[in-house]
Amino acid sequence: EDQVTQSPEALRLQEGESSSLNCSYTVSGLRGLFWYRQDPGKGPEFLFTLYSAGEEKEKERLKATLTKKESFLHITAPKPEDSATYLCAAINFGNEKLTFGTGTRLTIIP
Amino acid sequence: DAGVIQSPRHEVTEMGQEVTLRCKPISGHNSLFWYRQTMMRGLELLIYFNNNVPIDDSGMPEDRFSAKMPNASFSTLKIQPSEPRDSAVYFCASTPGHEQYFGPGTRLTVT
Repeated sequence: EDQVTQSPEALRLQEGESSSLNCSYTVSGLRGLFWYRQDPGKGPEFLFTLYSAGEEKEKERLKATLTKKESFLHITAPKPEDSATYLCAAINFGNEKLTFGTGTRLTIIP
Repeated sequence: DAGVIQSPRHEVTEMGQEVTLRCKPISGHNSLFWYRQTMMRGLELLIYFNNNVPIDDSGMPEDRFSAKMPNASFSTLKIQPSEPRDSAVYFCASTPGHEQYFGPGTRLTVT
């Protein structure tokens, strides 16, 4: 059974303090690894898709990377508006279903 | 594009009542997914459709839940009868390929 585990569950950073969120996955035949951002009371917002080990994607202060066992979401010099829950999800070659992790709740303190 | 549209945004109902949640996917997207999100279990896939055909409903918790997609622009998720443990946020998502785009969700409270 496919599994996605995220750590830490929650992370509090000072504004400008860079850090990384981890997503480890056990998927039979990874087709893609996805990162989403979810704000309170809203649906998950798509950020990135990574398809192969070594791939990197960037958007503003966020950079996502992928290895054969895990993905990292690096956040550089975060701002309070980056506060949200970040979700990781994986899809295998067998079907169209995303397996989601439980998320990391990120709080950036001004 | 307006994105995925869900209605109602909030629903409060009494135990035993029928609840119908509605979703309009993004035009041109050929797959549609229904999820449930709770604090305890996170995001759970309930059912998904491809070209209006149900492909996998293994996540539907029990027979009280049913979903339909009569055409490419509309889907419903029905709970009958509703129970307090069904209280959650229900999301609809659509995709043209792999990336899923989520609606704003329906917050369901069953008292």
